Amino acid sequence: DVKVTQSSRYLVKRTGEKVFLECVQDMDHENMFWYRQDPGLGLRLIYFSYDVKMKEKGDIPEGYSVSREKKERFSLILESASTNQTSMYLCASSFIGGSSYEQYFGPGTRLTVT
Amino acid sequence: QKEVEQNSGPLSVPEGAIASLNCTYSDRGSQSFFWYRQYSGKSPELIMFIYSNGDKEDGRFTAQLNKASQYVSLLIRDSQPSDSATYLCAAYNTDKLIFGTGTRLQVFP
Repeated sequence: DVKVTQSSRYLVKRTGEKVFLECVQDMDHENMFWYRQDPGLGLRLIYFSYDVKMKEKGDIPEGYSVSREKKERFSLILESASTNQTSMYLCASSFIGGSSYEQYFGPGTRLTVT
Repeated sequence: QKEVEQNSGPLSVPEGAIASLNCTYSDRGSQSFFWYRQYSGKSPELIMFIYSNGDKEDGRFTAQLNKASQYVSLLIRDSQPSDSATYLCAAYNTDKLIFGTGTRLQVFP
């Protein structure tokens, strides 16, 4: 089974703090993704990565950065957390190629910024 | 803007009935389509995917794709209360998935 893990299920941070969210997958997937999910807005793509040290902006990259130093690990960084970044953050991974491109999600991190 | 549209619901069906969930997409270049189930407070889990016109069955679930009409559906036969969740439709195009906002399904005993 594909396993995607995230470092924390719940996180509370203060405005202005630097926040690191970690994601690890054990299936040797090339692609990794970070989303945030908010009520009524659905899943929105923040950043994704095709390979080590590569990153691509998604639909809402402002206020976020990412790091992918190893194939299995993809980190999301909030440089200076703000209250509007309170959300559920979901990491996902997938293979490149084939005909399906299905993504597998981690359990999510619910981040509250006060 | 590439979009995937779903009715937010809730869709309420009695136990044992067929639940029909629908999705439309705007980009004709979309290649594959996915249905995810998401329980409240949990992450999405993949139910099935489809990339050819027609029907694809997996147990109680059937996905249907009509590329000419840009329409995808998910049928759940013999619905159970445990099927109560939000169902997300997603379309793959080029390099990423575009998700709809989901349809909430309620199955009542």
